[in-house]
Amino acid sequence: EADIYQTPRYLVIGTGKKITLECSQTMGHDKMYWYQQDPGMELHLIHYSYGVNSTEKGDLSSESTVSRIRTEHFPLTLESARPSHTSQYLCASSAGLGISGEQYFGPGTRLTVT
Amino acid sequence: KQEVTQIPAALSVPEGENLVLNCSFTDSAIYNLQWFRQDPGKGLTSLLLIQSSQREQTSGRLNASLDKSSGRSTLYIAASQPGDSATYLCAVRPWNSGYALNFGKGTSLLVTP
Repeated sequence: EADIYQTPRYLVIGTGKKITLECSQTMGHDKMYWYQQDPGMELHLIHYSYGVNSTEKGDLSSESTVSRIRTEHFPLTLESARPSHTSQYLCASSAGLGISGEQYFGPGTRLTVT
Repeated sequence: KQEVTQIPAALSVPEGENLVLNCSFTDSAIYNLQWFRQDPGKGLTSLLLIQSSQREQTSGRLNASLDKSSGRSTLYIAASQPGDSATYLCAVRPWNSGYALNFGKGTSLLVTP
């Protein structure tokens, strides 16, 4: 059983607010990811990290930012939320040397910006 | 860019049937392929991971095969149960993507009692 946690699970917030979505894992995985999923659509990678102090943007452009100060923690921040940010955000992690790591996902945060 | 397609988009079957879900991808240069299950409003649960050098993986009633050269994978579910109702997602990890996965849109499965 993978141990990866996301908070909050649901968030409704007004336009212009700053929000941080939390993601933590207790498996000691070095690689972590944020995906965005709109209803009925594919997951798209928005950010990833290979380890502490390493962050990269994914293939889907996003106005969010991430940080990786501790191995277990990979928060995502939106400085000024807009209705276009309404979506489900999924955090994942993987381990393993080299290329074969299986990705484990958290339960997701469903964000609604009004 | 790697494109991943899943057919059918939705499937409804009576309990007890064996069924096959299909996944195709456009570029055979992949490290691995992973099948996930997603319940409504929830995260993803990893079902099976097939490395590029493998042909199939099995877990309980689930069997996944991989034909990398033709860009195809199938997920076989034996003796389906109502608890199998969920969306099934296929994802590939291309050689040129770092560690990111490319996902299909999924197959929504409903198993009726």
